[in-house]
Amino acid sequence: GAVVSQHPSWVICKSGTSVKIECRSLDFQATTMFWYRQFPKQSLMLMATSNEGSKATYEQGVEKDKFLINHASLTLSTLTVTSAHPEDSSFYICSARQDTNTEAFFGQGTRLTVV
Amino acid sequence: KQEVTQIPAALSVPEGENLVLNCSFTDSAIYNLQWFRQDPGKGLTSLLLIQSSQREQTSGRLNASLDKSSGRSTLYIAASQPGDSATYLCALTGANSKLTFGKGITLSVRP
Repeated sequence: GAVVSQHPSWVICKSGTSVKIECRSLDFQATTMFWYRQFPKQSLMLMATSNEGSKATYEQGVEKDKFLINHASLTLSTLTVTSAHPEDSSFYICSARQDTNTEAFFGQGTRLTVV
Repeated sequence: KQEVTQIPAALSVPEGENLVLNCSFTDSAIYNLQWFRQDPGKGLTSLLLIQSSQREQTSGRLNASLDKSSGRSTLYIAASQPGDSATYLCALTGANSKLTFGKGITLSVRP
């Protein structure tokens, strides 16, 4: 299957700092990318949907000023957690698909720990 | 609003057993359905994709079926192995292109 690379796989940062997570589709052009958050032993919670070249659409309850999403090209989307706090500690996963009818592929996930 | 249910939440079987994982959904207006596998602390691995017009897909020891009229999908795993131990999630793509996930079934295959 296609490859979606997410980097970094884990990061520890101090409270108040910002962290950027990258999501790349390595062998296909991703019209749409999704960002999820996953709490321990729970399913994925969709945070936002991003389409290349346009603003991301955030799910209800997700602060767009805190979780900045950029989808500048068909192969790269970034999620920046601004002014991170311990409650932002979580597992973040990105997903990419070429279009609605095609398979969705997921990155390896990023474990964020804010201390 | 689409709701996806996977029951039971956990399953433990002896090695070699054939097993069926169930997924039910409330809205049949879907583009496709995917089954994923997730290992602890890892991302999701796509196992099978079934388009709305299809009834089943097969890959190796895995077979997934889709019955839109009854709102059900099953993932059949033949001759289970300890390496199959993981959480299995089904997810549906709706008209808004978003994936709606079930909560997953955590499978443990005992040697």
